[in-house]
Amino acid sequence: AQTVTQSQPEMSVQEAETVTLSCTYDTSESDYYLFWYKQPPSRQMILVIRQEAYKQQNATENRFSVNFQKAAKSFSLKISDSQLGDAAMYFCAYRSGGTSYGKLTFGQGTILTVHP
Amino acid sequence: DSGVTQTPKHLITATGQRVTLRCSPRSGDLSVYWYQQSLDQGLQFLIQYYNGEERAKGNILERFSAQQFPDLHSELNLSSLELGDSALYFCASAVTGPGANVLTFGAGSRLTVL
Repeated sequence: AQTVTQSQPEMSVQEAETVTLSCTYDTSESDYYLFWYKQPPSRQMILVIRQEAYKQQNATENRFSVNFQKAAKSFSLKISDSQLGDAAMYFCAYRSGGTSYGKLTFGQGTILTVHP
Repeated sequence: DSGVTQTPKHLITATGQRVTLRCSPRSGDLSVYWYQQSLDQGLQFLIQYYNGEERAKGNILERFSAQQFPDLHSELNLSSLELGDSALYFCASAVTGPGANVLTFGAGSRLTVL
């Protein structure tokens, strides 16, 4: 079974600074997808960014980018120019690829605090 | 608005009772997933349906059941409720087939068991 580990229960950053959230995963599969979801105080789960394992290029979405290290099974999220609205719980998630209709397996989450 | 609709948003009930949570997926999405989020267990996958059929089961208790109807909406039934069932229950839907299909989540149903 696949597992996802987020080793940082809490992180904090100053507004406009950069922060990196860590995620590692364990799998024997070669085809899979990785995601970062954000859960603000409203509790809504919001997709931040996704990465296909077969792509070597790291995904970016505006101020959000990932560092995908497939051999190390590491998938960190970098938030640049942090904003107060970035304060939330961030979850790393794994999904099997291929024609699987597979579920997402989530890490434990990292609470991000943004200081003004 | 994510396009995934969950009702009710909040529900307070007593131990031993039974409740039904409802989910309407995004238009065109055939897969529905149910997740439970609690403080001690994190986000746990419960069950998945695809076009009316059960596709995968996770850590779903025998007291819980679910189904997906022909119009693709889904219901999660929780019975003989215990204090530990208090949690946020999410429904998510997704398109099907290969690719980085994204799960889109509803706003959740917060269940409090007293």
